[in-house]
Amino acid sequence: RKEVEQDPGPFNVPEGATVAFNCTYSNSASQSFFWYRQDCRKEPKLLMSVYSSGNEDGRFTAQLNRASQYISLLIRDSKLSDSATYLCVVNPSNTGKLIFGQGTTLQVKP
Amino acid sequence: EADIYQTPRYLVIGTGKKITLECSQTMGHDKMYWYQQDPGMELHLIHYSYGVNSTEKGDLSSESTVSRIRTEHFPLTLESARPSHTSQYLCASRQGAEAFFGQGTRLTVV
Repeated sequence: RKEVEQDPGPFNVPEGATVAFNCTYSNSASQSFFWYRQDCRKEPKLLMSVYSSGNEDGRFTAQLNRASQYISLLIRDSKLSDSATYLCVVNPSNTGKLIFGQGTTLQVKP
Repeated sequence: EADIYQTPRYLVIGTGKKITLECSQTMGHDKMYWYQQDPGMELHLIHYSYGVNSTEKGDLSSESTVSRIRTEHFPLTLESARPSHTSQYLCASRQGAEAFFGQGTRLTVV
């Protein structure tokens, strides 16, 4: 079983739609969680950290459910520029490692 | 803008050659990483470092080696390149939550 699992998609949505991605992780002792964004043929960049209480950054909301070991990302009012691959990232306990999920691809259509 | 640089950006090399992929960062970050990513696929951690003289193997078996003699420099070496090493290699550094990635080296072994 992979340490971090995501539905690869693609998710095809119209502009203005709300879309949600989930990610599950296997190590219950994992401490830090992030969402990264990767555009085609580019390097990943941090979108947002995920906090236990949930957090929001503009149109983006991240949630963490430790009991079920999943993380979610909600994007409201999708823009064409949101088209990218969204990577779920986990920092396992007591390590400096960053483990990436395979990513979920989002295509926002006009 | 992240101050992390990888060279070369593109490399085509013959089977059996020894190659070193360079990665340098000027942010003074302790943690550095090497990931391998095939097109459209997930990032696989192949090596990481907590600081000078500290290196660890990642989760993906790799025939490469790394060194960390200086904080800012984390080169990756393939002693004998093979076609199966053809991939994109991404270097990253981190201090705190966010990891910053270089633009990657796209390696083709013929």
